[in-house]
Amino acid sequence: DIQMTQSPSSLSASVGDRVTITCRASQDISSYLNWYQQKPGNAPKLLIYAASSLQRGVPSRFSGSGSGTDFTLTISSLQPEDFATYYCQHSYSIPKTFTFGPGTKVDIK
Amino acid sequence: EVQLVQSGAEVKKPGESLKISCKGSGYSISNYWIAWVRQMPGKGLEWMGIIYPADSDTKYSPSFQGQVTISADMSNNTAYLQWGSLRASDTAKYYCASLMEVTSGWRHYNWFDLWGQGTLVTVSS
Repeated sequence: DIQMTQSPSSLSASVGDRVTITCRASQDISSYLNWYQQKPGNAPKLLIYAASSLQRGVPSRFSGSGSGTDFTLTISSLQPEDFATYYCQHSYSIPKTFTFGPGTKVDIK
Repeated sequence: EVQLVQSGAEVKKPGESLKISCKGSGYSISNYWIAWVRQMPGKGLEWMGIIYPADSDTKYSPSFQGQVTISADMSNNTAYLQWGSLRASDTAKYYCASLMEVTSGWRHYNWFDLWGQGTLVTVSS
């Protein structure tokens, strides 16, 4: 089974900071990697799909990169509404498997 | 507005059965895979299983195989998650999510683009 790890598990940052979150797969997953944002009490929200494609309606300060085993989510200038937990997710169509990373919590410094 | 609307919070005792629902609103779920995702208190997201309502093809995560049953009723445009005998460890928030699938060349990408609001299930004696 493919395992997903994220680093750091949490970070403190200030408004305006550039934030980078890393996700690593235990084996090559090409670009089958998505990113979600979850705020307390709310459902997850898709930010990035296929490693680097920005979901419609998501601010352009969010970007994703990487392929193979190493991926990055970058927030270019952190905004107050970005304080949340971020999850990476590997997903295959055949067979259908979906594995979430453990999450990275971004809070206010 | 296209959305997935989940049933309300439940409080149950260990050993009781439960069936929670996820209803498509503004679109037909029949031709979209619908997944269930568990989030235990203070923890991360875990994929439980997924169903294709049009033919009821269902896949389970090995961690949840035999623990829950996923079903769908196209006449009600609704997917379901059920337990035969609840345990305290089933206390969690459960989300349904719709899978978007896109083929680009030989690559088959997918992601969860639409989520329900979640159903909190509390199991306590």
